[in-house]
Amino acid sequence: RKEVEQDPGPFNVPEGATVAFNCTYSNSASQSFFWYRQDCRKEPKLLMSVYSSGNEDGRFTAQLNRASQYISLLIRDSKLSDSATYLCVVNNGKGGGADGLTFGKGTHLIIQP
Amino acid sequence: DTAVSQTPKYLVTQMGNDKSIKCEQNLGHDTMYWYKQDSKKFLKIMFSYNNKELIINETVPNRFSPKSPDKAHLNLHINSLELGDSAVYFCASSQVVGLAAPLAKNIQYFGAGTRLSVL
Repeated sequence: RKEVEQDPGPFNVPEGATVAFNCTYSNSASQSFFWYRQDCRKEPKLLMSVYSSGNEDGRFTAQLNRASQYISLLIRDSKLSDSATYLCVVNNGKGGGADGLTFGKGTHLIIQP
Repeated sequence: DTAVSQTPKYLVTQMGNDKSIKCEQNLGHDTMYWYKQDSKKFLKIMFSYNNKELIINETVPNRFSPKSPDKAHLNLHINSLELGDSAVYFCASSQVVGLAAPLAKNIQYFGAGTRLSVL
């Protein structure tokens, strides 16, 4: 099983629709989870951190299911500007000062007018 | 002021050459990273430094040598460049790194990337 796995898409979604992505991770020791967004030819930028109890930021909702080791991102009322690649990010949980973040390959979202 | 800045933005060079990419962060972070993003868009960590000390060294050819003169800088030197080295290289920094650290302190901030083309 890959460390962090996402459906690469592309997801073609009409403007105003709700879209959801899932991501699974393999390391049960992982403690930190994030969603990053990467626009074409740009650097990844933090979209939101994912808290154990789930969290919401405007139109975006993130959920964590530790038992099943997956993270989800829900985007409501999608806008054209939401078109991007969404990267699921998990800390590798190696500990001992050797932690790093492992990035999924990303899910490509295209919002259509 | 750019929080994480890397130079150059574009680098086009011939096979066999040696080149360096520089990275600086003004966020006061303790940890810095180098990532490689290949043509398939997969972002993979190469190195991580914490307070000038190497803590992550993934399976990277020893032609790649990171150097951290101080905790605000992490440079990447590449010897004998090969065609397969063509990619976008991203520098990043975070306040700390580790399981015990609060979530917010693990957040990584990225530079704009260096697009390396080896001909």
